[in-house]
Amino acid sequence: EIVLTQSPATLSLSPGERATLSCRASQSVNIYLAWYQQKPGQAPRLLIYDASNRATGVPARFSGSGSGADFTLTISSLEPEDFAVYYCQQRSNWPPPITFGQGTRLEIK
Amino acid sequence: QVQLQESGPGLVKPSETLSLTCTVSGASISSNYWSWIRQSPGKGLEWIEYLSGSGSTNYNPSLKSRVTMSIDTSKNQLSLKLNSVTAADTAVYYCAKILEIPNRGQDYFDFWGQGTLVTVSS
Repeated sequence: EIVLTQSPATLSLSPGERATLSCRASQSVNIYLAWYQQKPGQAPRLLIYDASNRATGVPARFSGSGSGADFTLTISSLEPEDFAVYYCQQRSNWPPPITFGQGTRLEIK
Repeated sequence: QVQLQESGPGLVKPSETLSLTCTVSGASISSNYWSWIRQSPGKGLEWIEYLSGSGSTNYNPSLKSRVTMSIDTSKNQLSLKLNSVTAADTAVYYCAKILEIPNRGQDYFDFWGQGTLVTVSS
């Protein structure tokens, strides 16, 4: 199983600041990595897929980068609605083919 | 706009079978891949299985022996059955549509239901 480790567990920032979230895979997943945003009481929302492609309707302040085993989600300037939990998810040929990270909570400082 | 809605009992007794339905609108159920994912405080987000309208499927090995997923194209519904449940199966269960990327496999989830909480308790 490919394990995804997200850091930090919690990130405290203010609106307008830049957020950098990390996701590290236990082995290479090429570019097959996605990022999701989850707000309380809601389902996850797809933000980024294939490491750097924004999903439909996702604001340009969200960007993803990385390949292999190290990935980053960057929010260039935080808006109040961006404070949520963020998860990474990988797709591989290892069983199970789909796994998620444990999440990073982005909270208002 | 694609919409998914889960339904089913919120409480299941240990050793019994958990049965959930997901009603899909705004997308062809037979032309896409669909999945079930669950989320619990202890295990986080856990992918369960995906299935296509044509019957192509893949399971999480940790659940494979207990899971059955099916599609009813006449009702535009997915269903999930998980047998021999224990307290460890307590979670919010989501159905989700798999993002369609040309010439690719079943990689990511672009539409999700709102989720339904299932508690396993006597």
